[in-house]
Amino acid sequence: AQSVTQLDSQVPVFEEAPVELRCNYSSSVSVYLFWYVQYPNQGLQLLLKYLSGSTLVESINGFEAEFNKSQTSFHLRKPSVHISDTAEYFCAVSEVQGAQKLVFGQGTRLTINP
Amino acid sequence: DGGITQSPKYLFRKEGQNVTLSCEQNLNHDAMYWYRQDPGQGLRLIYYSQIVNDFQKGDIAEGYSVSREKKESFPLTVTSAQKNPTAFYLCASSIGIHNQPQHFGDGTRLSIL
Repeated sequence: AQSVTQLDSQVPVFEEAPVELRCNYSSSVSVYLFWYVQYPNQGLQLLLKYLSGSTLVESINGFEAEFNKSQTSFHLRKPSVHISDTAEYFCAVSEVQGAQKLVFGQGTRLTINP
Repeated sequence: DGGITQSPKYLFRKEGQNVTLSCEQNLNHDAMYWYRQDPGQGLRLIYYSQIVNDFQKGDIAEGYSVSREKKESFPLTVTSAQKNPTAFYLCASSIGIHNQPQHFGDGTRLSIL
């Protein structure tokens, strides 16, 4: 079985500062990795995903995440955040083989201060 | 535009009542899922369905029931057996059960009166 740990429940940063949201996972099999973003009172939106190939994946709004197999991590980064990035971010994993049951981390609430 | 529609957005239930949450998708996705979200706990899988007329229990299925009579619909019933039903419920779908990201609806917030 897989598990996901998001090491920070809340991350406050100032606008235009860099940010890193940490995600570590545990699994005995190969996994796919995802980051989702949730704005208040809305569902989740896929931010980026790692399925195979390059370990560095990017989103259209400036976020990136790097799959590190040796450290079992998939940290999310952005070099300069904007007020509109305020949201909750969820890391998730699913097995490469078998049913695509997503296992989610507890979430990290990112708050951007002006 | 294609997407997932959950209704109602807010739902109130009296003790002992069953309530049904609606989830409809027009994405032509085969797989559908129900999650429960509680503060600080992330999302937990209640039920999922890979195909019409088939569904499997997730991690926290007790007190819930589902049906999948049509490809586009996957309603969730919260029964009176669910002792702590107050939560935010999210429905999702994916093209198939393997190797596809899931698309989410905007959720239904259920509260007990």
